[in-house]
Amino acid sequence: AAGVIQSPRHLIKEKRETATLKCYPIPRHDTVYWYQQGPGQDPQFLISFYEKMQSDKGSIPDRFSAQQFSDYHSELNMSSLELGDSALYFCASSLGASNQPQHFGDGTRLSIL
Amino acid sequence: DAKTTQPPSMDCAEGRAANLPCNHSTISGNEYVYWYRQIHSQGPQYIIHGLKNNETNEMASLIITEDRKSSTLILPHATLRDTAVYYCIVKFDGSGYSTLTFGKGTMLLVSP
Repeated sequence: AAGVIQSPRHLIKEKRETATLKCYPIPRHDTVYWYQQGPGQDPQFLISFYEKMQSDKGSIPDRFSAQQFSDYHSELNMSSLELGDSALYFCASSLGASNQPQHFGDGTRLSIL
Repeated sequence: DAKTTQPPSMDCAEGRAANLPCNHSTISGNEYVYWYRQIHSQGPQYIIHGLKNNETNEMASLIITEDRKSSTLILPHATLRDTAVYYCIVKFDGSGYSTLTFGKGTMLLVSP
C-alpha cells in the first residue's frame, strides 16, 4: 500500500539559511500533520492542515510556516535556521473522518552546521 | 488530552508475549487509546487503537480495563524486530484532525 512520502530524506544547511521540506500524503488522505523530533526527544507536534486549511498549531516557531496545496501535499518552510533546528521532521496523514489513525512517513533528517 | 504513564523500559524474550502497560487514569469518555511504536529513528508506526472494547489486529491486541483507566498492549510472539519505543497515547477523536501528543514511551528490548 502507498505510504506517506517525504523529501528530501536528508538535508544539510548552515545557520541562517532556509529549508523546505515536502510531504506527500497517502492517496485520498486530506489531513496532514508535521512533527519535530530532536535528538533523544519524543516527537512534538508542530502544525496540521485539514482540507488545505490550518487545523491545529503546536510548538511551531514563528520562523517556520507551512501550507497544504490543492493536491493535498504539504510543505514546511523554515527560515533563519538555528543549530537547535537540527532534528527529524515527520509528516503524517489521515482521513478527515474521525477515529482514523495517522500514518507517518520516514521523515527528513535536517542537520544545521 | 489525558496524560499517560508507561514504564521507561521492558525486556522480553524472543517468542514470548510482550505485555506493555499504560495508565491513563484521567481519560474521559470520548477519548481513545492509541498505540504507536518507533523503531530507531524511523517514523512512528501505528499499531492499534480502541475506545472501551478489547481490540485485536494482525500486529497486536489491546486490552482496556472496564473503568478505562489503564490498558495493556500485547504482542503475542515478540521478535527481535519488535524492539522499539512503544507509545501509549490518549486522543480525542471528536474531529478529523486531532493531534497526537507523544509522551516518554516504553523502550521494549526483545532478546534472543
